[in-house]
Amino acid sequence: DGGITQSPKYLFRKEGQNVTLSCEQNLNHDAMYWYRQDPGQGLRLIYYSQIVNDFQKGDIAEGYSVSREKKESFPLTVTSAQKNPTAFYLCASRTGEKLFFGSGTQLSVL
Amino acid sequence: SQQGEEDPQALSIQEGENATMNCSYKTSINNLQWYRQNSGRGLVHLILIRSNEREKHSGRLRVTLDTSKKSSSLLITASRAADTASYFCATAPATYGNNRLAFGKGNQVVVIP
Repeated sequence: DGGITQSPKYLFRKEGQNVTLSCEQNLNHDAMYWYRQDPGQGLRLIYYSQIVNDFQKGDIAEGYSVSREKKESFPLTVTSAQKNPTAFYLCASRTGEKLFFGSGTQLSVL
Repeated sequence: SQQGEEDPQALSIQEGENATMNCSYKTSINNLQWYRQNSGRGLVHLILIRSNEREKHSGRLRVTLDTSKKSSSLLITASRAADTASYFCATAPATYGNNRLAFGKGNQVVVIP
């Protein structure tokens, strides 16, 4: 069953804590993306990667970090420097012009 | 940077009616895409229209693109309860191509059975 798997579905962060959101795809896509979605707003690009071992900052990269050690995996770390991390996080991969999305992770602050 | 900007409307219609939503953008684009998001889920690609196209159909979907006005519209005909969702337009800026799609804020559609 091909697709993009995000885990966990819900995640809670304590103040000062780093948390990592997982994104795995078995679609054999080169490009992968992380978006943040806040209520009533559209998607904002955090980071993207066009190929293994390479990634670029998006529009709101501050307070986040990523790695791309394998084609299938693109984890996102929300660091303690991100002061307002509560949001719905979406991972996507791209083939050609179209994006394919995971089901998202809702991150909340305790 | 946000480019796609839908009319910020919440649309409530009866089943069987048509639903129309609009999107405007600011810079030159390679293509414009529409995605659907069901509550609490990821986005699903619906349809893509390229900058040299004016109209495109896919099933009950009809998309138009007016590059002179930098605007697009999505029409869903004969709506069904299952069409209840948020709809987002996304533009592929000519500068970045498909690497950095810019999404609008979304248009919530509720179809009443």
